[in-house]
Amino acid sequence: AQSVAQPEDQVNVAEGNPLTVKCTYSVSGNPYLFWYVQYPNRGLQFLLKYITGDNLVKGSYGFEAEFNKSQTSFHLKKPSALVSDSALYFCAVRGRRGGSQGNLIFGKGTKLSVKP
Amino acid sequence: SQTIHQWPATLVQPVGSPLSLECTVEGTSNPNLYWYRQAAGRGLQLLFYSVGIGQISSEVPQNLSASRPQDRQFILSSKKLLLSDSGFYLCAWSVAGGYSYGYTFGSGTRLTVV
Repeated sequence: AQSVAQPEDQVNVAEGNPLTVKCTYSVSGNPYLFWYVQYPNRGLQFLLKYITGDNLVKGSYGFEAEFNKSQTSFHLKKPSALVSDSALYFCAVRGRRGGSQGNLIFGKGTKLSVKP
Repeated sequence: SQTIHQWPATLVQPVGSPLSLECTVEGTSNPNLYWYRQAAGRGLQLLFYSVGIGQISSEVPQNLSASRPQDRQFILSSKKLLLSDSGFYLCAWSVAGGYSYGYTFGSGTRLTVV
């Protein structure tokens, strides 16, 4: 069965410091991997995705994520955090098969808090 | 371009009253459609998904139902709301069969059952 784990409920970072939000996954075959961000009382917004190719994916708002197949991880990173990055972040994985196997599976979310 | 509309943004309903939340997508045809519930600003629970008109798959047994009367319209309903139905409801769409695509989410409905 497909699954996604975000081991940290919350990540606290000082503004200007680098940030990492962790994600590991389990899926049969090669995965499609996604990161979404959610601000309070808003829908989820797409940040970036890994489909194939370069393991380092760059996305919106200066975020990037590194796909590591051997560690089955897809950690979200940013070199210098902003207070405005404070939000709830979701990792998601999608298999390459039809039916319910093709649905996105979301992690439980990690709350990122960036302090000035 | 494709857009997704979800309404209302907020809703306060008494226990035992009916519910109808609507979601519509523009600019695409035959999308996959999804309803999620999010409790207390945390994890997402997939409630229903649909791959076509009249085709609804339920992920969890509950007090809710979904319908897809038109290609780009997805409705979440309840005949009698429970307190436990309170939460943040999100509609989303994706390209049918396009597994390299993610989901696009609506702006959500905050439902409070009192």
